[in-house]
Amino acid sequence: GNSVTQMEGPVTLSEEAFLTINCTYTATGYPSLFWYVQYPGEGLQLLLKATKADDKGSNKGFEATYRKETTSFHLEKGSVQVSDSAVYFCALSSGAGSYQLTFGKGTKLSVIP
Amino acid sequence: SQTIHQWPATLVQPVGSPLSLECTVEGTSNPNLYWYRQAAGRGLQLLFYSVGIGQISSEVPQNLSASRPQDRQFILSSKKLLLSDSGFYLCAWTRGGAGNSPLHFGNGTRLTVT
Repeated sequence: GNSVTQMEGPVTLSEEAFLTINCTYTATGYPSLFWYVQYPGEGLQLLLKATKADDKGSNKGFEATYRKETTSFHLEKGSVQVSDSAVYFCALSSGAGSYQLTFGKGTKLSVIP
Repeated sequence: SQTIHQWPATLVQPVGSPLSLECTVEGTSNPNLYWYRQAAGRGLQLLFYSVGIGQISSEVPQNLSASRPQDRQFILSSKKLLLSDSGFYLCAWTRGGAGNSPLHFGNGTRLTVT
């Protein structure tokens, strides 16, 4: 079955540091890949997505590239801010018509001034 | 615009008591609806999803149940809560299959079973 593995957290960075959160997946077929973000006390919001190999999703300075050869979708940001402190979830869907996403366990990011 | 409402925000219930969590979506019709549970250190677990009124699919066998009495209403219930039911419950909706439409989440209900 499908599975998503994220790097264990928590991750603590200083403001303006470079961020990478690793995500690898196992899936049959050609999944779509997502990053969701959960700010404290809130539900999840879609951050970015990629639907086919070599696609790059980007939003709010975050980027992730769909790498089929390494089955990865690592999240990166060049300069983090305190407001980026949240829990980040990598997820996959087995494609159009799928009715569920498979989520990773989440990585908590704390950015300190 | 579409909005999703989930209540209550927090709930403390004794073991063995019943549960009813409600979720409603506004601004769209015939959404796909989902209940997820987020337990500490375990990520998100899909509990139920529904593609239409009265149509419920269960992903995890347990003492919880779900119902969809109206197009935009999704209810999570239990007759007798267990300690292991504690967690953060999230309702979500999509337009069409999740693969081509993002999940939109409510703000969640934090349930503590004592």
